[in-house]
Amino acid sequence: DQQVKQNSPSLSVQEGRISILNCDYTNSMFDYFLWYKKYPAEGPTFLISISSIKDKNEDGRFTVFLNKSAKHLSLHIVPSQPGDSAVYLCAAKYLGGSEKLVFGKGTKLTVNP
Amino acid sequence: DADVTQTPRNRITKTGKRIMLECSQTKGHDRMYWYRQDPGLGLRLIYYSFDVKDINKGEISDGYSVSRQAQAKFSLSLESAIPNQTALYFCATSDSDSNTDTQYFGPGTRLTVL
Repeated sequence: DQQVKQNSPSLSVQEGRISILNCDYTNSMFDYFLWYKKYPAEGPTFLISISSIKDKNEDGRFTVFLNKSAKHLSLHIVPSQPGDSAVYLCAAKYLGGSEKLVFGKGTKLTVNP
Repeated sequence: DADVTQTPRNRITKTGKRIMLECSQTKGHDRMYWYRQDPGLGLRLIYYSFDVKDINKGEISDGYSVSRQAQAKFSLSLESAIPNQTALYFCATSDSDSNTDTQYFGPGTRLTVL
């Protein structure tokens, strides 16, 4: 059973607009969440993370929101740029636990010029 | 220079052959991981190592073995490769001293088993 779900396989937005990527999780033990960006033929690159004690974390154009009651997090990219086109992977873990990162299947973002 | 390197980047082999994938890191991290990625699936953990003397199985360790030769090196072996081990393999590292233990990935090895 998938513990981390990214239900949208793909998303297309216009340059300059907001991109919102969503992620749901089922395991209430998760207390740390990460977003990775992946280009074809490259390894995932860490983008931003959030601890369960927060509901928002911001880094430049990237903001992650966490709704613990809904077991939902989202990544906002504002403004979107063509270079943001990539697969975005959501991952979760519980600090102090097995250290295992559980990944979603990813959402492919295309930002059109 | 890349902090996490993997060799080879691409490999084609035949069923039954023994294959070794290598990972090296210059980040000074103590923890290392091997994942595989298949089309339509998320990354899945094969093995992980918290230090040279600590090796742990992940969720899909059957058919694989690992060796942590040094803090900076972690190798993945397929003793007798089979076609369903065709996948993209990623090595990752993390630092247990960090607050978050974020994992950093290598560029991947594309393995094809015929």
